[in-house]
Amino acid sequence: EDQVTQSPEALRLQEGESSSLNCSYTVSGLRGLFWYRQDPGKGPEFLFTLYSAGEEKEKERLKATLTKKESFLHITAPKPEDSATYLCAVQAPDSWGKLQFGAGTQVVVTP
Amino acid sequence: SAVISQKPSRDICQRGTSLTIQCQVDSQVTMMFWYRQQPGQSLTLIATANQGSEATYESGFVIDKFPISRPNLTFSTLTVSNMSPEDSSIYLCSVAGAQETQYFGPGTRLLVL
Repeated sequence: EDQVTQSPEALRLQEGESSSLNCSYTVSGLRGLFWYRQDPGKGPEFLFTLYSAGEEKEKERLKATLTKKESFLHITAPKPEDSATYLCAVQAPDSWGKLQFGAGTQVVVTP
Repeated sequence: SAVISQKPSRDICQRGTSLTIQCQVDSQVTMMFWYRQQPGQSLTLIATANQGSEATYESGFVIDKFPISRPNLTFSTLTVSNMSPEDSSIYLCSVAGAQETQYFGPGTRLLVL
């Protein structure tokens, strides 16, 4: 069975302290890997889609990278407003629209 | 990306009753999805809803418990039937956009007593 594992489960950062979140997956022939941000009481907000190993995407302080078995979400010089749960999801090649989500990493950035 | 709204935003229900959740999109979309997010957990796909056809349910979810309607390209409903406390969750709808990216609604928080 395809699996998506995110680590760490929780991360507490000081403002400005850069770090990385990990998403490892076992699906073969990845169709796409998606990163979302979820604030408490809200639906997930789309951040990035990655399709092939070596691909990178950036948005403000966030940068997502992809290898054949994992993806990293790098947070550079985070601010308190970056506090959220970050979710990773994968889509297998024969499952159009079916996203399998990891458990998420809860990030807290303190001033 | 599409603008998605859900009604109600939250509800408290008695066990044995049913609740219908509405999902409205501001543009026409082919595929809509319903997810469940149980307390402290991640999202699990319940079913895929295409306009003009029966919804496709994932393993562990059945139509009698979670009937879905998709009357047009901008609207869908999910009913949670004969509710029990185990159905307390956040229910989310999503739509497929460009390059198969899914965009999510704000969610419906359901508490079953």
